Amino acid sequence: GIQVEQSPPDLILQEGANSTLRCNFSDSVNNLQWFHQNPWGQLINLFYIPSGTKQNGRLSATTVATERYSLLYISSSQTTDSGVYFCAVNRDDKIIFGKGTRLHILP
Amino acid sequence: ETGVTQTPRHLVMGMTNKKSLKCEQHLGHNAMYWYKQSAKKPLELMFVYSLEERVENNSVPSRFSPECPNSSHLFLHLHTLQPEDSALYLCASSQGRAIGNQPQHFGDGTRLSIL
Repeated sequence: GIQVEQSPPDLILQEGANSTLRCNFSDSVNNLQWFHQNPWGQLINLFYIPSGTKQNGRLSATTVATERYSLLYISSSQTTDSGVYFCAVNRDDKIIFGKGTRLHILP
Repeated sequence: ETGVTQTPRHLVMGMTNKKSLKCEQHLGHNAMYWYKQSAKKPLELMFVYSLEERVENNSVPSRFSPECPNSSHLFLHLHTLQPEDSALYLCASSQGRAIGNQPQHFGDGTRLSIL
């Protein structure tokens, strides 16, 4: 089956810093989503991005489907950005999540 | 408020108990999902219902039994669970029939602890 690898597994940054999270996948996919799980366990859909680039405030994402990766950019990070960021891919009616990147923003 | 409500938020049960988790979505979606999130593991898709029909069952043990009476409600019936079943159980919904072809919206989850 498709493998989804996220990097880095953990990231600690000072408030105001920028970061780039990466999601690699081992085969072609129909769709890709980025999620943020906050420290209280709530899972929020950030981007639905099978290809191209999208922006939403301080967050943006780019998926290069032909090269099988997606990047999530967080600029001017805030403490509320802390949590785990997951990417999930879909192919052949299967949804596979990566293990996530745990982000900790220090005040 | 994501439009997907899960109850209860927390549940502690013994291995011989029977309990049910409930999920309700107010988004007009027609696909609903159950996920399991264990510590230090990726989210695992358990069940998918589309238009009230089960379309995916990822080899989940029979002690987990889903029920989807209509497109707005999804249940997960639990019976004779094991300690390794302790986890966060997340419900999600999406528009469209095909799995994963539309953004998924998640509930806040039920934290389940098996004694």
